[in-house]
Amino acid sequence: GAVVSQHPSWVICKSGTSVKIECRSLDFQATTMFWYRQFPKQSLMLMATSNEGSKATYEQGVEKDKFLINHASLTLSTLTVTSAHPEDSSFYICSGMREFYNEQFFGPGTRLTVL
Amino acid sequence: KNQVEQSPQSLIILEGKNCTLQCNYTVSPFSNLRWYKQDTGRGPVSLTIMTFSENTKSNGRYTATLDADTKQSSLHITASQLSDSASYICVVSASDAGKSTFGDGTTLTVKP
Repeated sequence: GAVVSQHPSWVICKSGTSVKIECRSLDFQATTMFWYRQFPKQSLMLMATSNEGSKATYEQGVEKDKFLINHASLTLSTLTVTSAHPEDSSFYICSGMREFYNEQFFGPGTRLTVL
Repeated sequence: KNQVEQSPQSLIILEGKNCTLQCNYTVSPFSNLRWYKQDTGRGPVSLTIMTFSENTKSNGRYTATLDADTKQSSLHITASQLSDSASYICVVSASDAGKSTFGDGTTLTVKP
């Protein structure tokens, strides 16, 4: 099956700092990548959809200046949480959609804790 | 509006027993339906994917069914194991959109 990796798997940072999370599709080209946020005991919440080489489309209520998404290649997307605050602490999961398929493959997630 | 509803919200069963999780959807036009297993603190892992023409698909002890007419799917788990304790998420994709609609998941707890 298609594999998606995320790095780092967990990160702790101070309030006000920026954190970058990488999402890579290891054995397929992901024309579309999705970023989700998940709070404890809640379902996945879609934050944004990104297509390679174009600007990301953000869901309503997600601040695009705070959550910077770059999808520079067919195998790499990054999410940067700028000026992080404790309320940004969450589990961030990315997924990639394989070209010509309508199936998503999820990364293992990144646990962000902002102190 | 595209919606996916899962039931029950949570379920507790004894190890070795079978269980069935339900998923009803109103996504249109339908492309595929996927079941994922998500362990706590991990990303979702695909169990099955079914298109319009498929009405059953198995993956080990997991068997998914799809009734495209009634827009219902079920995930049957046979001879449950402690490691089956997880959240099971039903995801339905429309053929005319790049996004998928997620159910809220069913939390399964398997007790010894």
